Amino acid sequence: EAGVAQSPRYKIIEKRQSVAFWCNPISGHATLYWYQQILGQGPKLLIQFQNNGVVDDSQLPKDRFSAERLKGVDSTLKIQPAKLEDSAVYLCASTPAGTDTQYFGPGTRLTVL
Amino acid sequence: AQSVTQLDSHVSVSEGTPVLLRCNYSSSYSPSLFWYVQHPNKGLQLLLKYTSAATLVKGINGFEAEFKKSETSFHLTKPSAHMSDAAEYFCVVTFKSSGDKLTFGTGTRLAVRP
Repeated sequence: EAGVAQSPRYKIIEKRQSVAFWCNPISGHATLYWYQQILGQGPKLLIQFQNNGVVDDSQLPKDRFSAERLKGVDSTLKIQPAKLEDSAVYLCASTPAGTDTQYFGPGTRLTVL
Repeated sequence: AQSVTQLDSHVSVSEGTPVLLRCNYSSSYSPSLFWYVQHPNKGLQLLLKYTSAATLVKGINGFEAEFKKSETSFHLTKPSAHMSDAAEYFCVVTFKSSGDKLTFGTGTRLAVRP
């Protein structure tokens, strides 16, 4: 079974630029999550999707961050414009129905200069 | 509110000696508890999960954890450390009442000395 796929693996941008990350969850997993992991900290949930609907985006900085999962499968997370404090690893995870076990992708490491 | 505390930010052990990574949680409800491991530049991998079926949970790579409700603890142990165990370990809690939202601890970095 293929795992959660994310791309790119690494991205370096300058502040005020825009960036987008892509995630393809495990096939059949209805729930998808985006996390932000700042160096030295545990992951923090940004947004949770159930199919193509948003379940929880209470910790998403909506003035600059957006996410979509239009067809209920893959998802994109966008930052526009980026700030220095957005430097982090962005993790995507997915969960099959009927369980609370999340499966994580390898993450995208973003560096904002 | 749910929370989880990992008591040690860094733990260093010699290869072949026991590992103990400590985790305490706060909750008014029965939680699900997890331990995840993160190797450098790798994604988070599930080590083990507690869901009330048994208080002693066995995971992958020889790790296990014991749920102690009276102590609100879920410490991770391994009898004999291997060099490949060097990584960051996260204790995670979730509750059905929170919509299965994961709350991560701050992590414990395990170093294994030859």
